Amino acid sequence: EDQVTQSPEALRLQEGESSSLNCSYTVSGLRGLFWYRQDPGKGPEFLFTLYSAGEEKEKERLKATLTKKESFLHITAPKPEDSATYLCAVQAIYGQNFVFGPGTRLSVLP
Amino acid sequence: SAVISQKPSRDICQRGTSLTIQCQVDSQVTMMFWYRQQPGQSLTLIATANQGSEATYESGFVIDKFPISRPNLTFSTLTVSNMSPEDSSIYLCSVIFGTSHGEQFFGPGTRLTVL
Repeated sequence: EDQVTQSPEALRLQEGESSSLNCSYTVSGLRGLFWYRQDPGKGPEFLFTLYSAGEEKEKERLKATLTKKESFLHITAPKPEDSATYLCAVQAIYGQNFVFGPGTRLSVLP
Repeated sequence: SAVISQKPSRDICQRGTSLTIQCQVDSQVTMMFWYRQQPGQSLTLIATANQGSEATYESGFVIDKFPISRPNLTFSTLTVSNMSPEDSSIYLCSVIFGTSHGEQFFGPGTRLTVL
């Protein structure tokens, strides 16, 4: 069974304090790993897709990396507006369905 | 970029009633999905909305409780039937565009409270 776990469950950072969020997955053949940002009361906003181990994607203060078992979302010098829940999801080769992780709730304090 | 809208954005309903949620996209999509997000939790896939045929439901979700329609490539509805307080959740539609690489894009969600 495909599974996704994320750690930590919640993370509180000071503005400018860099850190990383972890997404560990088990899937029988990875088609893609996806990162989303979700603000309270809104639908998830697409951030990145990673397809193969060693791949990296960057967008502003965010960088996502992928290994065969996990992905990291690195946040460099975060700002308060980066506060959100970050969701990781995997899609297996054999299907269209996504399996979502529980998310990491990030708070960046000014 | 394409716009995905949902109606209503929120509703408060009485136990035993039904609510139909609409999802409209301003361009054609290849796939449409419906998710549920219970308070403080992650997303759970309810079903894949198939155009012109019955939806494909995930384990634990049945057509009698969550009937879905998808009459064309840009529109779908999800009905939550015979509601109970346990159905209080955010319901989200998502789509995959033909030009994407498998990424799903989400609507803003419908926040449902059942009293």
